[in-house]
Amino acid sequence: EPEVTQTPSHQVTQMGQEVILRCVPISNHLYFYWYRQILGQKVEFLVSFYNNEISEKSEIFDDQFSVERPDGSNFTLKIRSTKLEDSAMYFCASSALAGIGGEQYFGPGTRLTVT
Amino acid sequence: ELKVEQNPLFLSMQEGKNYTIYCNYSTTSDRLYWYRQDPGKSLESLFVLLSNGAVKQEGRLMASLDTKARLSTLHITAAVHDLSATYFCAVEFSGTYKYIFGTGTRLKVLA
Repeated sequence: EPEVTQTPSHQVTQMGQEVILRCVPISNHLYFYWYRQILGQKVEFLVSFYNNEISEKSEIFDDQFSVERPDGSNFTLKIRSTKLEDSAMYFCASSALAGIGGEQYFGPGTRLTVT
Repeated sequence: ELKVEQNPLFLSMQEGKNYTIYCNYSTTSDRLYWYRQDPGKSLESLFVLLSNGAVKQEGRLMASLDTKARLSTLHITAAVHDLSATYFCAVEFSGTYKYIFGTGTRLKVLA
């Protein structure tokens, strides 16, 4: 069964460093998403992406964050200058459609630890 | 404001007992999802509820949706230890393509 994959599974970085989290969505999906979950808290929406553009973003997704689909298979989340509060689990998701009929499928997550 | 509230936040129950987790949301929704999350793991999809009155069952778990009341329930029947996990509801509100998650219910089933 097709699934969303994410690399790395765990990333440790120092405050102020740039990190790139990578995702390979399900191959025929057109919509892509990033969510984050701070330890012990709920899952929060960051951004959705379609047709090489951001379609929606949350207040969390400020200028430090960017997303890109650099080729036909990868979808990346970049954090330019990491802060301690960026430590969280980051989930990528993809869907074939948006809205009705477009269930999002989640990847296994990347745990980001900022020291 | 798009809000999703779950209760209870924590639930400790004896094996063999029944209990219900509640998920309330603030405005019209296209669909509602239930997920299970084990510590440090990803989200496991349990149910997709698409319409008013929808009821789905899998093993000891049953989910229902009342769109008029803006309420979904996850009912646990005769709980077993293996059901210990955190359960999240997530709502896809009309006009948006993002999921808004509830706060989660941390369930602990005691032997």
